[in-house]
Amino acid sequence: GESVGLHLPTLSVQEGDNSIINCAYSNSASDYFIWYKQESGKGPQFIIDIRSNMDKRQGQRVTVLLNKTVKHLSLQIAATQPGDSAVYFCAENITPDRLAFGKGNQVVVIP
Amino acid sequence: DADVTQTPRNRITKTGKRIMLECSQTKGHDRMYWYRQDPGLGLRLIYYSFDVKDINKGEISDGYSVSRQAQAKFSLSLESAIPNQTALYFCATSDPRQVLTFGSGTRLTVV
Repeated sequence: GESVGLHLPTLSVQEGDNSIINCAYSNSASDYFIWYKQESGKGPQFIIDIRSNMDKRQGQRVTVLLNKTVKHLSLQIAATQPGDSAVYFCAENITPDRLAFGKGNQVVVIP
Repeated sequence: DADVTQTPRNRITKTGKRIMLECSQTKGHDRMYWYRQDPGLGLRLIYYSFDVKDINKGEISDGYSVSRQAQAKFSLSLESAIPNQTALYFCATSDPRQVLTFGSGTRLTVV
């Protein structure tokens, strides 16, 4: 079937290496950010979130960094595994009621 | 059972036909959403609802309508389908933090 990853920035990473996925957000008033992972043929799944009163938050093998000065968000994946191959989306709350999604980044893990 | 169930999973329809995509959720959340996903464009919001009496247009509502039949059910209709509505459609529900739980999607093709 057609891939949602077509035409997306692609990060190829060797299994076991760390991955860094970057996202520039648009609204300086946004105060809540979320990373989602979408595997082929599935809906996006929540990975980790961060509020604007923090600049770093860690989960299991994932870390999100927030730089409000330059409106930049990143997702770091430690010891990347084949199951991490997916499209990753950042999202920001452009209003208290709505999220806006980035266009996504494809991660390909090379065994 | 999945938290968010979408039917059908795949649908091919002809230009000009009316089609309904259905969504139900078991999370008990009040908020429900319909998104459209096109390759390289990320997720775009069509409509959202914060309770059974609340319906709001998203960024790309033209050509679509919705019905919130119950807290758990939110359907999307294309009154007269056109080929550029060919896309992946996702229903989602969210908690008050805005963390979205997505369904598995409906792949719609308009010929």
